[in-house]
Amino acid sequence: GAGVSQTPSNKVTEKGKYVELRCDPISGHTALYWYRQSLGQGPEFLIYFQGTGAADDSGLPNDRFFAVRPEGSVSTLKIQRTERGDSAVYLCASSLNRKETQYFGPGTRLLVL
Amino acid sequence: GENVEQHPSTLSVQEGDSAVIKCTYSDSASNYFPWYKQELGKRPQLIIDIRSNVGEKKDQRIAVTLNKTAKHFSLHITETQPEDSAVYFCAAIHGSSNTGKLIFGQGTTLQVKP
Repeated sequence: GAGVSQTPSNKVTEKGKYVELRCDPISGHTALYWYRQSLGQGPEFLIYFQGTGAADDSGLPNDRFFAVRPEGSVSTLKIQRTERGDSAVYLCASSLNRKETQYFGPGTRLLVL
Repeated sequence: GENVEQHPSTLSVQEGDSAVIKCTYSDSASNYFPWYKQELGKRPQLIIDIRSNVGEKKDQRIAVTLNKTAKHFSLHITETQPEDSAVYFCAAIHGSSNTGKLIFGQGTTLQVKP
């Protein structure tokens, strides 16, 4: 079946702009995660959704970051007033539930100039 | 907070040799430990995982061992092949919360020389 997909694959934006990153999880997966991966580092947790609700947003670095999952499937990560330090690969993962294997998408490579 | 330490950061082996990567974790409540392989520019892919109710798991050339008392777990790759070259990440589930939040190690770059 189809795996986790993310769009766009690459995004270049200017400092101060707003961006949206989209994640399509595996069909039927109720748990969805966003991670951020900087060059040479492991993924760092941002937020976890169980269904439509954000059950854990403890990894969001500040209030410029926000994510939604209105219908319990597709999720959008939103970054306001982007800064150069936001440049990274944003990875989405989904799992059948929070105790099961997490499958990752290909990521969105964000570059803030 | 929860922390996962991974060693070594780089590992170079000759084709056919074994490779071992070690991780330690801090949260004694962690109960799930996956290993991911990530090739350059690609997504992390699960290669093996282990839960805290077992001490060892094997899948062909790959095995993982877990020592809960010492809070460390290791990845063993035998008969390495050039296509095993990649970055490997260990992770531990954040056991003290009700989420499936994974805490990742810093990664090990494995190079298998033909």
